[in-house]
Amino acid sequence: AQSVAQPEDQVNVAEGNPLTVKCTYSVSGNPYLFWYVQYPNRGLQFLLKYITGDNLVKGSYGFEAEFNKSQTSFHLKKPSALVSDSALYFCAVRDKYPGGGNKLTFGTGTQLKVEL
Amino acid sequence: AAGVIQSPRHLIKEKRETATLKCYPIPRHDTVYWYQQGPGQDPQFLISFYEKMQSDKGSIPDRFSAQQFSDYHSELNMSSLELGDSALYFCASSSPDRGTEAFFGQGTRLTVV
Repeated sequence: AQSVAQPEDQVNVAEGNPLTVKCTYSVSGNPYLFWYVQYPNRGLQFLLKYITGDNLVKGSYGFEAEFNKSQTSFHLKKPSALVSDSALYFCAVRDKYPGGGNKLTFGTGTQLKVEL
Repeated sequence: AAGVIQSPRHLIKEKRETATLKCYPIPRHDTVYWYQQGPGQDPQFLISFYEKMQSDKGSIPDRFSAQQFSDYHSELNMSSLELGDSALYFCASSSPDRGTEAFFGQGTRLTVV
């Protein structure tokens, strides 16, 4: 089964500093990887994805992620954090299911807290 | 742009009652997923549909059932509700291409008392 792991339950960073939220994956074949963000009592919002191509993927709100095949990682990054970035971040991997309906399997989530 | 619509947003039910959650996918999305997210938990996959047929099944209790209709909307039916069913239930939709992202609704918060 395909899975992702987020080793940190919480990440704290000062506003203006770079942030990294870690994710490692375990998949067979080529991974299809995603990052989602969840604000309190809200649905998950898509940030970015890696399918193929450049290892550095750019997404919404200034976020980017680096795909590293040798380290089986897909860490989420942002050069300069904002207080408004404080939220719950989920890494996810997509299974391939014959006939469509490929489900997403999520990591356990990392709570990002950006402080002034 | 149109998003995934879920109704109701909040629902309070008593134990042993039934509940029906509705999901309206983004137009031209033919794949629907249901997820359950307990307090402080990551979303757990329940079930998915592609072109009105069940395409995958996760940790969905036998007390729950779901279907996708001809207009692609989906309903999650929950019977004999238990306190432990209290959670946020998300619906998501996508095209069947593995490379496309799934778009999530705002969720239905179910509270069983």
